[in-house]
Amino acid sequence: DAGVIQSPRHEVTEMGQEVTLRCKPISGHNSLFWYRQTMMRGLELLIYFNNNVPIDDSGMPEDRFSAKMPNASFSTLKIQPSEPRDSAVYFCASRKGSAGETQYFGPGTRLLVL
Amino acid sequence: SQQGEEDPQALSIQEGENATMNCSYKTSINNLQWYRQNSGRGLVHLILIRSNEREKHSGRLRVTLDTSKKSSSLLITASRAADTASYFCATEHTGTASKLTFGTGTRLQVTL
Repeated sequence: DAGVIQSPRHEVTEMGQEVTLRCKPISGHNSLFWYRQTMMRGLELLIYFNNNVPIDDSGMPEDRFSAKMPNASFSTLKIQPSEPRDSAVYFCASRKGSAGETQYFGPGTRLLVL
Repeated sequence: SQQGEEDPQALSIQEGENATMNCSYKTSINNLQWYRQNSGRGLVHLILIRSNEREKHSGRLRVTLDTSKKSSSLLITASRAADTASYFCATEHTGTASKLTFGTGTRLQVTL
């Protein structure tokens, strides 16, 4: 099993540019989560999907952030326009089944907005 | 905030010693999970303990849960240099099915 795959692994961009982060969950997993990790705020849940449907996006910082899951094997997190304070490591995680099961994390995308 | 607090923030021990990390939370939970994160890497799931369980073991790991005190501990016995990492507790709170709230983490350094 390849595990959760994220791309790119590193992204450096300039303020104002659009950034798209990609995630491929583990095959057969029906829940997908996007997290952001910073030194100041720790690990925060941004949004999660169940069966490709967004269930809770209350953690999404603002309208500049959007996430989609067009099918069971792919999700994107988009930031438009990006700002320096968006610099962080963004993790995608997937889970099989319902609450109470293990989440499997991808390696993360390290984003730096200059 | 439901975010858990971990104690200590940092811990340095020698190889072979035991390491104990604690996690406290504020509201009732369905389960509590422990994750490990090596520097610059993603999180790896270690163990899950449900609210009706008091203790679980997995290899050199021992987790306890005291729901009356809203706290959990992770014990790593006979530590190794490879155990050097940050350890996070994550809670799934009652009424927030599926969402995990992560603690602030404990940075463990195991020296030879």
